[in-house]
Amino acid sequence: ETGVTQSPTHLIKTRGQQVTLRCSSQSGHNTVSWYQQALGQGPQFIFQYYREEENGRGNFPPRFSGLQFPNYSSELNVNALELDDSALYLCASSLDGGPLWGYTFGSGTRLTVV
Amino acid sequence: DQQVKQNSPSLSVQEGRISILNCDYTNSMFDYFLWYKKYPAEGPTFLISISSIKDKNEDGRFTVFLNKSAKHLSLHIVPSQPGDSAVYFCAAGRSGAGNEKLTFGTGTRLTIIP
Repeated sequence: ETGVTQSPTHLIKTRGQQVTLRCSSQSGHNTVSWYQQALGQGPQFIFQYYREEENGRGNFPPRFSGLQFPNYSSELNVNALELDDSALYLCASSLDGGPLWGYTFGSGTRLTVV
Repeated sequence: DQQVKQNSPSLSVQEGRISILNCDYTNSMFDYFLWYKKYPAEGPTFLISISSIKDKNEDGRFTVFLNKSAKHLSLHIVPSQPGDSAVYFCAAGRSGAGNEKLTFGTGTRLTIIP
């Protein structure tokens, strides 16, 4: 399988709920990074997973957490949802964490918190 | 603190003319710069990159220029085509940092007028 696939494509949640977003990495890619893109902004780095371990984190609170599985698929979990969490969530896979030009992005999950 | 800035939210260019998209950065630790193109409902796709050891990189109709002293880079598209209409993101990173995270600008929406 080629490319990065994300599910679901759209999601509506209520403030205070929890959400799980899923990403299937490009074949052979062992590194996954998650980004949040708020409306009118560029993508912001949330964290990166390499071989099932967190390998770097951006300026996001602990209620944002992740998992990477042996088959290199991954999840982004967000607890206690806030209205400001409404955004497009992108995952990007790469081989061994780089090179920077080697990232392949998925189409994203659009999360709306009401 | 916006470390990568794209000060023009939008740009309109006649088909066949040159499109110039600009980007400024503040973090002198960045040593790799990339341009991504994003269509609606799709993830960002890699367009072209440049290492800080170069001042120009060319790929077909796309050329990126880097001025390190001014902490400024630009993307030139010649000639512009209708299919170039998209949002363009400038991104920067530190190669070999162990986790290859990208810092994005806020994007410039390019519209090519037929």
